[in-house]
Amino acid sequence: GNSVTQMEGPVTLSEEAFLTINCTYTATGYPSLFWYVQYPGEGLQLLLKATKADDKGSNKGFEATYRKETTSFHLEKGSVQVSDSAVYFCALPLNSGYSTLTFGKGTMLLVSP
Amino acid sequence: EAGVTQFPSHSVIEKGQTVTLRCDPISGHDNLYWYRRVMGKEIKFLLHFVKESKQDESGMPNNRFLAERTGGTYSTLKVQPAELEDSGVYFCASSQGEGRTGELFFGEGSRLTVL
Repeated sequence: GNSVTQMEGPVTLSEEAFLTINCTYTATGYPSLFWYVQYPGEGLQLLLKATKADDKGSNKGFEATYRKETTSFHLEKGSVQVSDSAVYFCALPLNSGYSTLTFGKGTMLLVSP
Repeated sequence: EAGVTQFPSHSVIEKGQTVTLRCDPISGHDNLYWYRRVMGKEIKFLLHFVKESKQDESGMPNNRFLAERTGGTYSTLKVQPAELEDSGVYFCASSQGEGRTGELFFGEGSRLTVL
């Protein structure tokens, strides 16, 4: 099945710093790619997605571009806030055409004032 | 609209005991998934229900785990007997239709600690 690898955390940044969380994938075909976020005390929620190569997903100031050449889907934000502190998960379908997702290990982001 | 709810939020049991976790999906969502995250590792898929039927249970670790979804509404995940390595956070998620958009709605998780 498909799989995803994301950078280990925690990532510690000061407010307004630039964020990059790396995610690379192994997949059959070109499945949709996702970033989920888990804020403290909450369940995971979809942050953004991209459904085909070269697509850019964006939400809440976060962006990720589907790069088939490098099989990557890195998450970026130009200026992080304290409220962005959370665990971020990269994900893709377990198998092509499947609704079941497989997730990376998660990257904890800690943003200090 | 109520989200996905899970109960209990935290359970502490001894090795060999039984625990039952419950998940109430969003009303009208046919797809229900169970996942598990152990000790900060990746979130592992356990199984997928479509209504009351098990669509895929390839992620279930062994026969100590039993999932049910009677009537296609809420689901339970029973671990019997529990072992130390079963400790982790069990997440339930649901989606409507075929769920191919990838938007799964997750509960807050049930943390299981086996001593």
